[in-house]
Amino acid sequence: KQEVTQIPAALSVPEGENLVLNCSFTDSAIYNLQWFRQDPGKGLTSLLLIQSSQREQTSGRLNASLDKSSGRSTLYIAASQPGDSATYLCAFFSSYKLIFGSGTRLLVRP
Amino acid sequence: GAVVSQHPSWVICKSGTSVKIECRSLDFQATTMFWYRQFPKQSLMLMATSNEGSKATYEQGVEKDKFLINHASLTLSTLTVTSAHPEDSSFYICSARGWPDNEQFFGPGTRLTVL
Repeated sequence: KQEVTQIPAALSVPEGENLVLNCSFTDSAIYNLQWFRQDPGKGLTSLLLIQSSQREQTSGRLNASLDKSSGRSTLYIAASQPGDSATYLCAFFSSYKLIFGSGTRLLVRP
Repeated sequence: GAVVSQHPSWVICKSGTSVKIECRSLDFQATTMFWYRQFPKQSLMLMATSNEGSKATYEQGVEKDKFLINHASLTLSTLTVTSAHPEDSSFYICSARGWPDNEQFFGPGTRLTVL
């Protein structure tokens, strides 16, 4: 059974710091993975999509990597801003559905 | 990215009534849509996979007679919560899968409160 773990569960950093969110999974038979952010009471916003054949994707201050052999993905956020405060979720597309981690709640302090 | 809408964004109803939630892909066609529910401070729980023109596939433990799903067209899926009870109160989110990347796009969610 595919399981997804996100570490840390919560993170509080001062504005301007670079930070890394971690995601690990148990089954290497993934089709792709996505990183999402969710603001309180809102739906999910797709941040980055990495196909299983790719190693990383970048969008602005965000960079996501995928290492299938070690079962890990990371989301790197450069020069964090208070507007980055949200819950970040990683999810793997496997067996025709997305499997979500429990998320990392990020707070960027001004 | 592609846009998925949900209607209504929130609904309050009395126990025993039925509530219908719509999910639409606005600028792309989606043969597959997904319905999730989310409890406070928890991650999303997949309820069912909705396939255009065929029956939905429900996850284990989800009552198909209680949560009716209809995927009538390539841009619309509906979730009907039948005979709603207070324990059905939750945040319901739909998503639509794009092609060919299989990237999923999520709606803004519907907050259901059953009194």
